[in-house]
Amino acid sequence: GAGVSQTPSNKVTEKGKYVELRCDPISGHTALYWYRQSLGQGPEFLIYFQGTGAADDSGLPNDRFFAVRPEGSVSTLKIQRTERGDSAVYLCASSVDRNSPLHFGNGTRLTVT
Amino acid sequence: GDSVTQMEGPVTLSEEAFLTINCTYTATGYPSLFWYVQYPGEGLQLLLKATKADDKGSNKGFEATYRKETTSFHLEKGSVQVSDSAVYFCALRGSARQLTFGSGTQLTVLP
Repeated sequence: GAGVSQTPSNKVTEKGKYVELRCDPISGHTALYWYRQSLGQGPEFLIYFQGTGAADDSGLPNDRFFAVRPEGSVSTLKIQRTERGDSAVYLCASSVDRNSPLHFGNGTRLTVT
Repeated sequence: GDSVTQMEGPVTLSEEAFLTINCTYTATGYPSLFWYVQYPGEGLQLLLKATKADDKGSNKGFEATYRKETTSFHLEKGSVQVSDSAVYFCALRGSARQLTFGSGTQLTVLP
């Protein structure tokens, strides 16, 4: 079946611009996670949704980062006033519930010039 | 907070060699432990897991045993293949339910 889909696969933007990254989870998965992976590092947790609500947003680095999941399926990660340090691969994962294994998408590579 | 420390790479082996990638963790309570693999150009995939002390996870010839006394979850394979070339990540899932990852180990297997 279809896996976790992330779009776009690559995004290049200028410093100071606003970007949106989209995640389409596996159908029926109630839990959705966002991670950020910098070059040579492991993924770092950003935010976790259970249904429509953000159950844990403790990993968001600052208030420029925001994520929504209005209907409990697709999620959008929004970054305002992008900085060069935001350049990374942004990963989305979903799971059937909070106790089940995570399934990851291929990520969106964000480059801020 | 929770943390994972894994053996730094890169690791280069010849085909059919024995593989060990070390992983130790710090966590409160009783976390579940995982190994994920990222093949070139692909997303992270779950390789194996263990949910309690002394459990052994295994898949595709890889094994790892949850050792609570040494807080370790070392990945092993008796005979690696060229197709095992990838980046391997150790991870734990504690009470907060999100995964905490190590920094990854790049494995290259030469024919």
